[in-house]
Amino acid sequence: DIVMTQTPLSSAVTLGQPASISCRSSQSLVHSDGNTYLSWFQQRPGQPPRLLIYKISNRFSGVPDRFSGSGAGTEFTLTINRVEAEDVGVYYCMQTARTFRSFGQGTKLEIK
Amino acid sequence: EVQLLESGGDLVQPGESLRLSCAASGFTFSNYVMNWVRQAPGKGLEWVSTISSAFHTYYADSVKGRFTISRDNSQNTLYLQMNSLRAEDTALYFCAKDIGGPAGELAPDYWGQGTLVTVSS
Repeated sequence: DIVMTQTPLSSAVTLGQPASISCRSSQSLVHSDGNTYLSWFQQRPGQPPRLLIYKISNRFSGVPDRFSGSGAGTEFTLTINRVEAEDVGVYYCMQTARTFRSFGQGTKLEIK
Repeated sequence: EVQLLESGGDLVQPGESLRLSCAASGFTFSNYVMNWVRQAPGKGLEWVSTISSAFHTYYADSVKGRFTISRDNSQNTLYLQMNSLRAEDTALYFCAKDIGGPAGELAPDYWGQGTLVTVSS
């Protein structure tokens, strides 16, 4: 099974400053169809997860353009261009490249 | 509007069974991959199971042999039959649909609010 490892596990960022979260997979996430199925989710307290990014860098409908994703193979990054107060929460990466799916441990984002 | 409404969560004793349901609306349920994901209190997200539109099923090692995912396309409902429950199965259980679409995008886009399962004696 693929293990997803996120760093850091927590981050405190000043409002208006950038933030980045890394996600590493134990195996390549390139699917047999040639696509790389790596997604990012935001979970605010008391809420279900919200899809932000899919296939490494595609923003889901309604997601602000300050969120962006990058990477390839086994190394991926979520970047928030200018952090806003509403961005507080826990962020998860997830691989759906294999039939046995898996999440990273989560990264808690706080405002400094 | 896509809606997913989980139900069936309860307090049960170790070794007992429970069936969760997820009522779907706002999309053509039969066309989409569906998932169960759980979150233990204060912990991260854990993928539990997935069922394809062709009824292929997949399970995390932690639940394989004890849980069964199924779908009733005539009722637009996803199920999770949970047998031989353990204390470590205590969690909020979410159902979620994949993006799907013509390109068959593989990522959960819409999620329900979850239903709480507590396993304790």
